[in-house]
Amino acid sequence: AQKVTQAQTEISVVEKEDVTLDCVYETRDTTYYLFWYKQPPSGELVFLIRRNSFDEQNEISGRYSWNFQKSTSSFNFTITASQVVDSAVYFCALSEAVEYGNKLVFGAGTILRVKS
Amino acid sequence: NAGVTQTPKFQVLKTGQSMTLQCAQDMNHEYMSWYRQDPGMGLRLIHYSVGAGITDQGEVPNGYNVSRSTTEDFPLRLLSAAPSQTSVYFCASSYPQETQYFGPGTRLLVL
Repeated sequence: AQKVTQAQTEISVVEKEDVTLDCVYETRDTTYYLFWYKQPPSGELVFLIRRNSFDEQNEISGRYSWNFQKSTSSFNFTITASQVVDSAVYFCALSEAVEYGNKLVFGAGTILRVKS
Repeated sequence: NAGVTQTPKFQVLKTGQSMTLQCAQDMNHEYMSWYRQDPGMGLRLIHYSVGAGITDQGEVPNGYNVSRSTTEDFPLRLLSAAPSQTSVYFCASSYPQETQYFGPGTRLLVL
């Protein structure tokens, strides 16, 4: 069965600090996708990134970067120079491929609090 | 495009009552799904659909029914609400194998 573990339940940092959110996954599929979603205090789920299992290149988008390592089954997310607006719950998710769609398995989420 | 819409935003039910949570999307996505979010557990898949007329169970389907008569709509029915169904419900849609986009959620409280 697929599983996603986000071991950090809650992280508190001071503004401008860098912070890394950990994500470890388990799957027997050879083809799969990994995702990060952000849930701000308003409650909606905001898509951040999607990465397929064949692409291990790290990705950077502004202050956000992602480190995908198949050898350790990890897909970690780093926020550089954190800001108060980054305060949210962050979810890592893994897709189980089914015909014509995909089923997401979510981690429990990491609450990030950025203090000014 | 309105994207994925959900109604109502908030609902209070008494144990044993029934209700339908509505979900609609205007992106012509074949794939739609329902998740519930509970504290400390992330989101868990309830039911999903790969197209009109085709539905299947997810991880936590008990107590919920779905149907998909059109591409746009995917309602979730609670036939006899229980306090354990108090949760936040999210609907999502996507093209096959593509990123799922979520609706704003419905907060349900069962007393």
